[in-house]
Amino acid sequence: EVQLVQSGGGFLQPGESLKISCAASGFNLSNYWMHWLRQAPGKGLVWVSRINSDGSDTSYADSVKGRFTIFKDNAKNTLYLQMNTLKAEDTGVYYCARDSAGKRVFDFWGQGTLMTVSS
Amino acid sequence: DIQMTQSPSSVSASVGDRVTITCRASQDISRWLAWYQHKPGKPPKLLIYGASTLERGVPSRFSGSGSGTDFTLTISSLQSEDFATYSCQQSNSSPRTFGDGTKVEIK
Repeated sequence: EVQLVQSGGGFLQPGESLKISCAASGFNLSNYWMHWLRQAPGKGLVWVSRINSDGSDTSYADSVKGRFTIFKDNAKNTLYLQMNTLKAEDTGVYYCARDSAGKRVFDFWGQGTLMTVSS
Repeated sequence: DIQMTQSPSSVSASVGDRVTITCRASQDISRWLAWYQHKPGKPPKLLIYGASTLERGVPSRFSGSGSGTDFTLTISSLQSEDFATYSCQQSNSSPRTFGDGTKVEIK
């Protein structure tokens, strides 16, 4: 059974850093592209970042470029998002999601982790 | 970025009702449109991809249609477990973008 179990999150102040993680089971991260998405309170989902199957290529939303880093440890089968210089507008529930090859959709999602950035 | 506009933002319906949700893209996305179901405390669930292909295990009362810029999600006979928020997502171009969601509420 495919599962994505997230950990991390919390309440932070602007300028602080946080790393959230997403442990995969039931499949190998090394075979899939993976993404992070965010849902701010009362808003729709927004794509944040993605990494390709072997970890050699990454992409970011303009709003987080230069501050966030996506990476994965294929040996631990875990995806990470390192978030630096946090801003209030980074607040929201963060989801990791698997990219379904060919369908261009997110076919499995983590349970989400809430991060609140506020002074 | 491609903007996705859903309507209505919310709909009140009863069990057994037919519910239709629309999604409009700001430019032609061919059939690269997916629908997701969101319930509080649970991860989003993929329902439909390619505008009309049902994901495995999704009940046949869900259907999708459309191409280009205009798309619809239809629930033919609403069940109690269908009360949730539904969002559309385009994958024709990067970044993939979502609509703001349509909340299906109990009348």
